[in-house]
Amino acid sequence: SAVISQKPSRDICQRGTSLTIQCQVDSQVTMMFWYRQQPGQSLTLIATANQGSEATYESGFVIDKFPISRPNLTFSTLTVSNMSPEDSSIYLCSVYRDRDSKAFFGQGTRLTVV
Amino acid sequence: GENVEQHPSTLSVQEGDSAVIKCTYSDSASNYFPWYKQELGKGPQLIIDIRSNVGEKKDQRIAVTLNKTAKHFSLHITETQPEDSAVYFCAADGSSNTGKLIFGQGTTLQVKP
Repeated sequence: SAVISQKPSRDICQRGTSLTIQCQVDSQVTMMFWYRQQPGQSLTLIATANQGSEATYESGFVIDKFPISRPNLTFSTLTVSNMSPEDSSIYLCSVYRDRDSKAFFGQGTRLTVV
Repeated sequence: GENVEQHPSTLSVQEGDSAVIKCTYSDSASNYFPWYKQELGKGPQLIIDIRSNVGEKKDQRIAVTLNKTAKHFSLHITETQPEDSAVYFCAADGSSNTGKLIFGQGTTLQVKP
């Protein structure tokens, strides 16, 4: 499987603050994605992180709340802005490996907002 | 857009028995159907996947079948072991062909020793 490193692995944050999550992949990939997994729920796509251009957001997610950067083909960040307790979730980075067209996930960032 | 339904939501089996989890999808253009195992506190782990040009794929105790006409696919685990206990998710790519996935609701599998 692809080696995907997410940082931090978990955090407890105060409401109104922001947290930036990093995702590093061990090889260049064209496609990177960010998902949210609310407690006890399935995974929901937040956005596609596009290299060199603005991310593409899914319905219900906006850039002001979840700004994303993708400076190169191995790295991306997701920021959760102006957090509220409803943002408490697991945030997951995913990549689609070009050489065999398979989708892999990082270990996730477990965010608790208090 | 694509919609994926997964059943059952929970499944309890005795060690050594087989387990089957079923998913249906709505977008007939979907091409990629992965299955993930998620253990507590961990990210989803890809365990097997299948593409629309294949009807069945097997990897040791795990197999996946795809019926394109009926738009459903299933995960089969034989000779279950306690370490198979986890949450399993199916997904479909909704014809994006980019790894952008729509997930089922998940199945909590418990294998009782």
